[in-house]
Amino acid sequence: QSALTQPPSVSGSPGQSVTISCTGTSSDVGSYNRVSWYQQPPGTAPKLMIYEVNNRPSGVPDRFSASKSGNTASLTISGLQAEDEADYYCSSFTTSSTWVFGGGTKLTVL
Amino acid sequence: QVQLQQSGPGLVKPSQTLSLTCAISGDSVSDNSGAWNWIRQSPSRGLEWLGRTYYRSKWSYDYAVSVKSRISINPDTSKNQFSLQLNSVTPEDTAVYYCAGGRAAAGFVHWGPGTLVTVSS
Repeated sequence: QSALTQPPSVSGSPGQSVTISCTGTSSDVGSYNRVSWYQQPPGTAPKLMIYEVNNRPSGVPDRFSASKSGNTASLTISGLQAEDEADYYCSSFTTSSTWVFGGGTKLTVL
Repeated sequence: QVQLQQSGPGLVKPSQTLSLTCAISGDSVSDNSGAWNWIRQSPSRGLEWLGRTYYRSKWSYDYAVSVKSRISINPDTSKNQFSLQLNSVTPEDTAVYYCAGGRAAAGFVHWGPGTLVTVSS
């Protein structure tokens, strides 16, 4: 199972919005609504930010939103804050009953 | 509040078996909607899902193709924990290993703190 494709890096200024894409195939992102997004600051474990395409766990700010179209999922962070600077990973369930991750995107808040 | 606590050695010799345990508090390894996973992270491989176990009237297991011949994930209901065994390790298995789980459809809701495992003689 190949990794999902994410841009290596994105950046934005405080207050701006950024979008991170996650491209898979019809065997993963395109087949299920089991796409999730994780935030990982340096030296810490990943944290679930979005599950089942566009649902936020309790405690995640509504500045974080996500969607999916076909084989591509997207995470949008609006009203960027310095604390949002981290690595972001997408993940999808697959038709093989396995999970696959994206390669990760480093978000820099300028 | 669900917490996952990992334990196991941080150094394993090549060709030997890597063994880690993840103790669950605040949830049950036997929960009918849950799944309990092992994931590793290295600079060369990024985040890599290794496998999971879950209970739906019986225990089931799914493993990544990349490690399927060498991996075993086992639940221990008496201690409410699950374990990872990875056989015949090489230096390429050096990584931070995480346990993670929760409601299966949501992905990886709860994470352990991670254990750096180095494969070296």
